[in-house]
Amino acid sequence: KNQVEQSPQSLIILEGKNCTLQCNYTVSPFSNLRWYKQDTGRGPVSLTIMTFSENTKSNGRYTATLDADTKQSSLHITASQLSDSASYICVVANSGYALNFGKGTSLLVTP
Amino acid sequence: SQTIHQWPATLVQPVGSPLSLECTVEGTSNPNLYWYRQAAGRGLQLLFYSVGIGQISSEVPQNLSASRPQDRQFILSSKKLLLSDSGFYLCASWGQVSGEQYFGPGTRLTVT
Repeated sequence: KNQVEQSPQSLIILEGKNCTLQCNYTVSPFSNLRWYKQDTGRGPVSLTIMTFSENTKSNGRYTATLDADTKQSSLHITASQLSDSASYICVVANSGYALNFGKGTSLLVTP
Repeated sequence: SQTIHQWPATLVQPVGSPLSLECTVEGTSNPNLYWYRQAAGRGLQLLFYSVGIGQISSEVPQNLSASRPQDRQFILSSKKLLLSDSGFYLCASWGQVSGEQYFGPGTRLTVT
């Protein structure tokens, strides 16, 4: 069964600190992995998308890593800001239509 | 890039009433379109996807239906809402060049 597990479920950090979110998956065959940021009451917005051959991809203060052998990905946020408070969703695709969503990590950045 | 419009933004409907949520897409032609539902504390669940006008695939059996009357219009409907239909409904399109999915702003549906 294709599954995407994210940890932690929720996280609280101080503004300016770094944090790392985890994503483990059992999706096969693997096509790509995406990280989305979803503000409360809004649609998800794409942060990164990585294919099998990519190990790391950055988007500003967001850096995603992918280990296709262990089927793990992480999203590292550097120098967090209050606006980073949101849910972060890991999505693993095994075809154009079949996207497997994690339940997300809820991040709260406090002053 | 693509822009996805959804309306209404919020909706409160009684049990047993009908539903119609609309999604339109700008900035692309012949997109693949998707309807997702996000229940409180749960991940996104794919409900329907469409690869073209009149072509609908259902992922989850339920009392909801979808239609695509025009290339860039996708509609989610129900004849009789259930309490369990409450949730956040997202329309998405597929960027076939970028491989990205673009999400609309969502509709918050509360069934009372």
